[in-house]
Order: sequence, then structure tokens, then C-alpha cells
Amino acid sequence: EAGVTQSPTHLIKTRGQQATLRCSPISGHTSVYWYQQALGLGLQFLLWYDEGEERNRGNFPPRFSGRQFPNYSSELNVNALELEDSALYLCASTKRGGVSNQPQHFGDGTRLSIL
Amino acid sequence: SQELEQSPQSLIVQEGKNLTINCTSSKTLYGLYWYKQKYGEGLIFLMMLQKGGEEKSHEKITAKLDEKKQQSSLHITASQPSHAGIYLCGAARNTDKLIFGTGTRLQVFP
Repeated sequence: EAGVTQSPTHLIKTRGQQATLRCSPISGHTSVYWYQQALGLGLQFLLWYDEGEERNRGNFPPRFSGRQFPNYSSELNVNALELEDSALYLCASTKRGGVSNQPQHFGDGTRLSIL
Repeated sequence: SQELEQSPQSLIVQEGKNLTINCTSSKTLYGLYWYKQKYGEGLIFLMMLQKGGEEKSHEKITAKLDEKKQQSSLHITASQPSHAGIYLCGAARNTDKLIFGTGTRLQVFP
């Protein structure tokens, strides 16, 4: 069984540009979660998508957005990139029902570097 | 302050030694997850604990959940270089996200 896959592995952008990160969940999983792991800040919850809908978002500005497609894959878009957006962006997936009684399975992440 | 505090922050042990990592919550724990992360990579799921007093083991790693103390511990027996990495605890506060601990960096030297 294929795990959660993320692309690209690395992404280098300059300030003000836009970045698009992609995630494919495990087959059979309908929920996708995005996290940001910035140096020294730990893992911070960004967004949760389930059945094509945004269910919740963390404390991030609106320039962080995304969507989930009918095949349950997801995109994370970051507009007007700032230097502090440099981080490892991790995607995780679960079956329906949220995270209270099942583990999230993570991809290897996309490392976004802003120059 | 963090909702989930891990201790120690960093641990350096000699191969073959036992070690324990703790995760303490400022709120009641309804479920606790342990993950391992290699530097710059994704998280690998280790164990899920849901009931007070629950204890699970996988190979040389044992995790326990003490709900009364709002604490969980991860114990590694006879550590090996392959155990090196960052260990993270995560708690589900509701259905939609995990809150992660501050992480414990483990180094194992021969």
C-alpha cells in the first residue's frame, strides 16, 4: 500500500511569489491535514480537508489556502511568500472520522525555502 | 507555554542503554500518539494510546498512558543507532487536529 505522497520534495521561491504544494493521501483515506514545521517552532496545524470541504484551519493568515479534489488529493497554496514561510510542510491523511481514535499517516514533506 | 511538554529536549545515550522520554499535557489526555521523525523528513507513526493505564510495545519501544497524571512515557530498551531521531508526542484535542509536543532529539552513539 502506497503511503502519503507529497510533491515537490524541495521548492525554492523568492519573496512575493506564490507556491503550490501537492499531497496524495493513502488509498481509502478521505481526510487530508496540512502542517507547517518551521525551525524552532514545532509542528503547527494549518488546514484540514475532508470530503472536499475545508473543515478547520489553524492560526495562519488567509494567504495560506488550499483545496481538496474529488480524488481526495489536496493542494496547499501560499501567496505573497514571506521569508518566515520557509519551513517543512507536512501532509497527513486519515480515513473519515477525524483524529480522535485513529493515527494520522504523514508524507515526507515539502521543504519550502524563500530567498 | 506549550500544551504538550516533552522532556528531556535532547538525549545522548550509548548504544545498549535504556532511556525514557516523557510527554506531559496541560489538559486531560483523551488519546496520545507517538511519532518518530528523522531530520527533515516525515513522521513515522509508532503507537496510539487511548485508555488510562494502557501500555503498548513494539519491538524495543514501550509506551504508557497515565491519564491521572496527564502524562505519557516512551521507553526504549537496549537502544540502537537506528533509534536515533526526533520523538514527538501528539494529542487529539478534538476530531480535527493533533497538538504536538516540543519534541525530544535522541542521539545514540556506539
